[in-house]
Amino acid sequence: GQNIDQPTEMTATEGAIVQINCTYQTSGFNGLFWYQQHAGEAPTFLSYNVLDGLEEKGRFSSFLSRSKGYSYLLLKELQMKDSASYLCAVSTERGKFQFGAGTQVVVTP
Amino acid sequence: ETGVTQTPRHLVMGMTNKKSLKCEQHLGHNAMYWYKQSAKKPLELMFVYNFKEQTENNSVPSRFSPECPNSSHLFLHLHTLQPEDSALYLCASSQEWGPNTEAFFGQGTRLTVV
Repeated sequence: GQNIDQPTEMTATEGAIVQINCTYQTSGFNGLFWYQQHAGEAPTFLSYNVLDGLEEKGRFSSFLSRSKGYSYLLLKELQMKDSASYLCAVSTERGKFQFGAGTQVVVTP
Repeated sequence: ETGVTQTPRHLVMGMTNKKSLKCEQHLGHNAMYWYKQSAKKPLELMFVYNFKEQTENNSVPSRFSPECPNSSHLFLHLHTLQPEDSALYLCASSQEWGPNTEAFFGQGTRLTVV
């Protein structure tokens, strides 16, 4: 079956670094996405990895290891506005995304 | 604003009611999706439309009926729902029905079935 695991909640202080891990076991793999979702709002695209390695986009970086079925999203220099749910999603085949349950990140002053 | 608009934002309906959710995208995308998001659970893919043709029905009960009259509009018709159908229903679109194209989501309709 399809399985995507990520922690339920993480707390960190403003200015710190947080790493959100995601492990997956899926029948197919065409890439891994990270989305950010603020309460009551639409999920918004953050990053996409299809090859092994690190992709950096400003304060956010995403890493993928296909052999380990593992990814992480790294949030640096945390800001209060980064408090949100972060969704890991795997594209298993055309038009199909398998989502994790999301990690709620709480940033404290 | 993601370019995907859903109405209504909130809906309360009885189990015998019939209602419809509407989604409109202004991005020129060819693929549209319905997802269900329940508390503390992963997003569940319900339906996929590619160039107005339904390409995926993820074992969704028949009380949910999608309609895609054109590439810009997607509806979800609801009838005789159950309380466990209460959830956030998200519409999404992507440029094409491909493996590496990101999805753009609407803000969702918060549905409560009483």
